Amino acid sequence: EPEVTQTPSHQVTQMGQEVILRCVPISNHLYFYWYRQILGQKVEFLVSFYNNEISEKSEIFDDQFSVERPDGSNFTLKIRSTKLEDSAMYFCASSEGGTVPYGYTFGSGTRLTVV
Amino acid sequence: AQTVTQSQPEMSVQEAETVTLSCTYDTSENNYYLFWYKQPPSRQMILVIRQEAYKQQNATENRFSVNFQKAAKSFSLKISDSQLGDTAMYFCAFRNNDMRFGAGTRLTVKP
Repeated sequence: EPEVTQTPSHQVTQMGQEVILRCVPISNHLYFYWYRQILGQKVEFLVSFYNNEISEKSEIFDDQFSVERPDGSNFTLKIRSTKLEDSAMYFCASSEGGTVPYGYTFGSGTRLTVV
Repeated sequence: AQTVTQSQPEMSVQEAETVTLSCTYDTSENNYYLFWYKQPPSRQMILVIRQEAYKQQNATENRFSVNFQKAAKSFSLKISDSQLGDTAMYFCAFRNNDMRFGAGTRLTVKP
């Protein structure tokens, strides 16, 4: 069964450093998403991406965040200058369609720890 | 904006028994999908079951079934014959455009 692949599975970074979280969506999917889950809390929407541009973003997704699809297969989330409160599990997801009835396939997540 | 509410932060059930997890949502849309995701200790998000809003028949996947009450905007998950491997966080989710999640219910299945 096709999978969404995320790397690395765990990243530790110093506060103020830039991090790039990588995702390889399912190859025939056109819509891509990033979600965040702070430990023990709900899964929060960050951003959706289609046709090489952001379709929607939440208030969490401020100027510190950016997304890119650099080479037609990878989908990356960059955090420019990490803060302690950015420590969370980050999930990438992809979908064949942008609206119902398509579900999402989630990756296994990247645990980001900012120290 | 759509909101998803899971009012049970934690639940427990004895192995082989049945448990029902609650979910309500708020939307003005007529066409949408509802999902239940399972998040085991590995933290992976695993789709359990989904329901199309325009279908009256409740979705069923093996031991998992839903009670979808569109007028009441309620979407509960029933797990029959609970197994130890069902221990996980369960998230209810709503999708019209992007997917939004409830706060989750931590389910513990006791031997």
